[in-house]
Amino acid sequence: QKEVEQDPGPLSVPEGAIVSLNCTYSNSAFQYFMWYRQYSRKGPELLMYTYSSGNKEDGRFTAQVDKSSKYISLFIRDSQPSDSATYLCAMRGVGSNFGNEKLTFGTGTRLTIIP
Amino acid sequence: GAVVSQHPSRVICKSGTSVKIECRSLDFQATTMFWYRQFPKQSLMLMATSNEGSKATYEQGVEKDKFLINHASLTLSTLTVTSAHPEDSSFYICSAKRQGNQPQHFGDGTRLSIL
Repeated sequence: QKEVEQDPGPLSVPEGAIVSLNCTYSNSAFQYFMWYRQYSRKGPELLMYTYSSGNKEDGRFTAQVDKSSKYISLFIRDSQPSDSATYLCAMRGVGSNFGNEKLTFGTGTRLTIIP
Repeated sequence: GAVVSQHPSRVICKSGTSVKIECRSLDFQATTMFWYRQFPKQSLMLMATSNEGSKATYEQGVEKDKFLINHASLTLSTLTVTSAHPEDSSFYICSAKRQGNQPQHFGDGTRLSIL
């Protein structure tokens, strides 16, 4: 079993729909959770960075973390064709020692927003 | 902001050539930088972690003599692929982070093709 599970998709939704992307994980030491967006042939771009459980909103994006269920989500409201990309979840433990600096990534979900 | 610049974006060269890739944090001091490799339609694979002024720590299976990493300043890390061969062809991505519990910010990657 992988430490982080993420459905690779592909996921296609019509423009304007709400998109829900999810990851589950097994390591209870993970405390920091990130969502990155990666366009083809580009590096990942940080969308959301959250600590522990709870919700965080930034514009059309909302990140949710449920540590009791080991489940994180990213919601995209009013989806646009420009949101078409691969979305990667990533997570790590606390502290600055070497082991906790490393990120564990999901496989990424390929999302297409249909105009 | 947290801008990471990576150069070059594309390299095509003959087998046996050594190739240097630069990663710069433009608007912050990066105490830690990371180098990843990404195969098509796959997630990122961490190659090594480097702290400014220290030797890089390589992941299992990554050849230190093949992939030379230098992190000489708080804004610059370099990856040199020595005597590159076709099997080294890949998408290489760097990331950088500030000290403490901060997220990683990624460069736009370097597409390396060895003929």
